[in-house]
Amino acid sequence: EVQLVESGGGLVQPGGSLRLSCVASGFTFSSYWMHWVRQAPGKGLVWVSRINSDGSSTSYADSVKGRSTISRDNAKNTLYLQMNSLRAEDTAVYYCASTLKGSGSLMDVWGKGTTVTVSS
Amino acid sequence: DIVMTQSPDSLAVSLGERAAINCKSSQSVLYSSNNRNYLAWYQQKPGQPPKLLIYWASTRESGVPDRFSGSGSGTDFTLTISSLQAEDVAVYYCQHHSNTPPTFGQGTKVAIK
Repeated sequence: EVQLVESGGGLVQPGGSLRLSCVASGFTFSSYWMHWVRQAPGKGLVWVSRINSDGSSTSYADSVKGRSTISRDNAKNTLYLQMNSLRAEDTAVYYCASTLKGSGSLMDVWGKGTTVTVSS
Repeated sequence: DIVMTQSPDSLAVSLGERAAINCKSSQSVLYSSNNRNYLAWYQQKPGQPPKLLIYWASTRESGVPDRFSGSGSGTDFTLTISSLQAEDVAVYYCQHHSNTPPTFGQGTKVAIK
């Protein structure tokens, strides 16, 4: 069964840092692009970042560019999102999503999400 | 960036009746090289992650009931639920998957009348 499991969320003060993780199983993780998408409370879906299959190419939404770093460890089947200089507006559920159908931005499998709360 | 605009923001439909959600992109998501529209639809139920329903504008994901269908081309798309069931109550999002950044519509909430 294809599965994505996020972790690493929590309560952090403004200006703090968090590293989110997403462990993949049930597919050849190293072959596919991966994405992070977030959803603020009561709001819609917002794409955050993506990484290609070998980690050599990354892209970020303007809202997190310069403050976040996406990476992956294909040996551990794990995707990461390092988030620094966190702001209240970064409060959201963060989902990782895969692109198993091969279209780089088509998100066909999603994890259940991990919640990040930025508050003093 | 491509802006995705859905309409309506919400709708209430009687059980067994048809529901239609529209999605408009600020530029065409049709690629002439392969004649494919890079448009997807997702369903999100309360407390759950999004679930892919439709991609390439009209291809139903495996396991998705055939009452869900997608249509349209270029910049105008529609998700249709032919006969609304109670389990279809959710928020539906369109998304272009043509390039980076992929962007989502604001969502359409579907309820039972």
